[in-house]
Amino acid sequence: LAKTTQPISMDSYEGQEVNITCSHNNIATNDYITWYQQFPSQGPRFIIQGYKTKVTNEVASLFIPADRKSSTLSLPRVSLSDTAVYYCLVGPDSNYQLIWGAGTKLIIKP
Amino acid sequence: DTEVTQTPKHLVMGMTNKKSLKCEQHMGHRAMYWYKQKAKKPPELMFVYSYEKLSINESVPSRFSPECPNSSLLNLHLHALQPEDSALYLCASSQAGGEKLFFGSGTQLSVL
Repeated sequence: LAKTTQPISMDSYEGQEVNITCSHNNIATNDYITWYQQFPSQGPRFIIQGYKTKVTNEVASLFIPADRKSSTLSLPRVSLSDTAVYYCLVGPDSNYQLIWGAGTKLIIKP
Repeated sequence: DTEVTQTPKHLVMGMTNKKSLKCEQHMGHRAMYWYKQKAKKPPELMFVYSYEKLSINESVPSRFSPECPNSSLLNLHLHALQPEDSALYLCASSQAGGEKLFFGSGTQLSVL
């Protein structure tokens, strides 16, 4: 069964690039890798999703090596408003089940 | 419209009360979900409706009863809850494949 492991917390400064790595050694062949952002007392918000190689959108990039056993979320030039919890997920399986990581609390300092 | 709307935002109830949480989406999504989230933990899947039929019931106690009146609406009926059921209850929707979820803002539930 797939399991996702990510750092519990990270600190960075405004304007820096932040990279958060997630390991998912037992990822299934059909699983996607997805990252969500969550602010306190709000629902998670979709950031980016990929299957392999690199994906980029207007807010982030996702790097996935060929073996797909890990992935790295890259946030360019972070600001204070990027302070949030970031979740790494793999799935879904045929039962819509997603495997959530424990979340990385990212704190951005001035 | 890319929103999932949940009501109420906050709910306080006693252990003998009956209440309902409501969720609505107008994105044409055919899968809708209820998640439970305790503080500092990731969301836990409770129920999944696919094409208005209950697909997944993750061994949730019977004091939680889901209902999907139509493809846009999802309810969660609550009865005789326990204090440990206090949590943020999140509704989500997705296309039938389930790869990308759209979450509502949640209902913060406190059971006294």
